[in-house]
Amino acid sequence: DIVMTQTPLSLAVTLGQPASISCKSSQSLLHSDGKTYLYWYLQKPGQSPQLLISEVSRRFSGVPDRFSGSGSGTDFTLKISRVEAEDVGTYYCMQGILLPYTFGQGTKLEIK
Amino acid sequence: QVTLRESGPALVRPTQTLTLTCSFSGFSLSTSGMCVTWIRQPPGKALEWLARVDWDGDEHHTTSLKTRLTISKDTSKNQVLLTMTNVDPVDTATYYCARAVGGREADYWGQGILVTVSS
Repeated sequence: DIVMTQTPLSLAVTLGQPASISCKSSQSLLHSDGKTYLYWYLQKPGQSPQLLISEVSRRFSGVPDRFSGSGSGTDFTLKISRVEAEDVGTYYCMQGILLPYTFGQGTKLEIK
Repeated sequence: QVTLRESGPALVRPTQTLTLTCSFSGFSLSTSGMCVTWIRQPPGKALEWLARVDWDGDEHHTTSLKTRLTISKDTSKNQVLLTMTNVDPVDTATYYCARAVGGREADYWGQGILVTVSS
């Protein structure tokens, strides 16, 4: 199975400041079809996870543009340009190139 | 509007069989490319992908639970069933079902159901 490793595991950010989460996969997520199957989810406290970003950088419907994804191959980053209170929760990356799909350990974001 | 809802027992005894139902609306599992996935989350821990059933009947399971998991669909009822045999306390978790168009990205999730395995 592909191992997904996130850093840091927790993050405290001042409102209005940027935040960055790293996700590394144990093998390349670049498919032969040219797409890279890396996803980001946010689980707000007490809620189900919600899709933020697909295929490295494509924001899901309704996701604010302060969220952005980047990376290639095995190294990926989720950035929040200016953290807002509603961004609190745990962020997960997930690979979708090889079954069974696997998640990172999660990164808990809190407000400083 | 896409919605999914998990149902099933809140408490299961060790060694018993757990059956969970995902009831959904707003899409059809007979549509090409449509899939439903089960994902679980033990208390305080990370998400774990479990299984997926596709519009064409294909099934996929996580490696570690392959012999214990069965996933099936009832297209006419808009339901997906997940069955897990010989449950253990380590299977205590919130179980989520989610739609996965194209199989990979889970774009709509249910609210989850907490299942406790305990004697």
